[in-house]
Amino acid sequence: DIQMTQSPSSLSASEGDRVTLTCRASQSIGTYLNWYQHKPGKAPKVLIYAASSFQRGVPPRFTGSGSGTHFTLTISGLQPEDFATYYCQQSHSAPYTFGQGTKLENK
Amino acid sequence: QVTLKESGPVVVKPTETLTLTCTVSGFSLSNPRMGVSWIRQPPGKALEWLAHIFSDDEKSYSSPLESRLTISKDTSKSQVVLIMTNVNPLDTATYYCARIRQEFRVPAAVYKYFDPWGQGTPVTVSS
Repeated sequence: DIQMTQSPSSLSASEGDRVTLTCRASQSIGTYLNWYQHKPGKAPKVLIYAASSFQRGVPPRFTGSGSGTHFTLTISGLQPEDFATYYCQQSHSAPYTFGQGTKLENK
Repeated sequence: QVTLKESGPVVVKPTETLTLTCTVSGFSLSNPRMGVSWIRQPPGKALEWLAHIFSDDEKSYSSPLESRLTISKDTSKSQVVLIMTNVNPLDTATYYCARIRQEFRVPAAVYKYFDPWGQGTPVTVSS
């Protein structure tokens, strides 16, 4: 199985900041990498798929990049609604594993 | 509008069998570009992918749980069912189902992602 590792596990930032979250795969997955946002009590929501493609309706301050084993999600100009937990997930091969998440907290 | 709704028991006793149902609307389970996955989140922990099923009945399971899981679909009822046998307290979690979208790109790439998700159903395993 492909293991996904996210860093940091938590991050404290302020509104307006630019933050970068990292996700690494245990083997090359090309660009088969998705990013989700999850808020307590809500359904997770896809932000980015295929490493850098925007899901419709997602604000352009969210950008994804990377390929192979190293990926990043950058949020430029944090908004109050962006404080949540973010998960990466590989869709290269089943089982479609998730990372352990990065919790983004308001400083 | 595409929606998914999970249903099932709130409490299950250890060693019992858990049956969860995902009822979908707004798309057909026979659509060749669609599938449905089950994902769970134990309290305070990360999301964990469990299983998926596609329109052609292709199935896959989480490696650690494969011996305990069975996924199936009833296209006429627009339902996907996940059965988990021999549950234990570590199976306490919120269980989500999600549509798998597939985007086909040349020359031969198929990108899959989960969108949308249901609201989730909480399950507690306790005697």
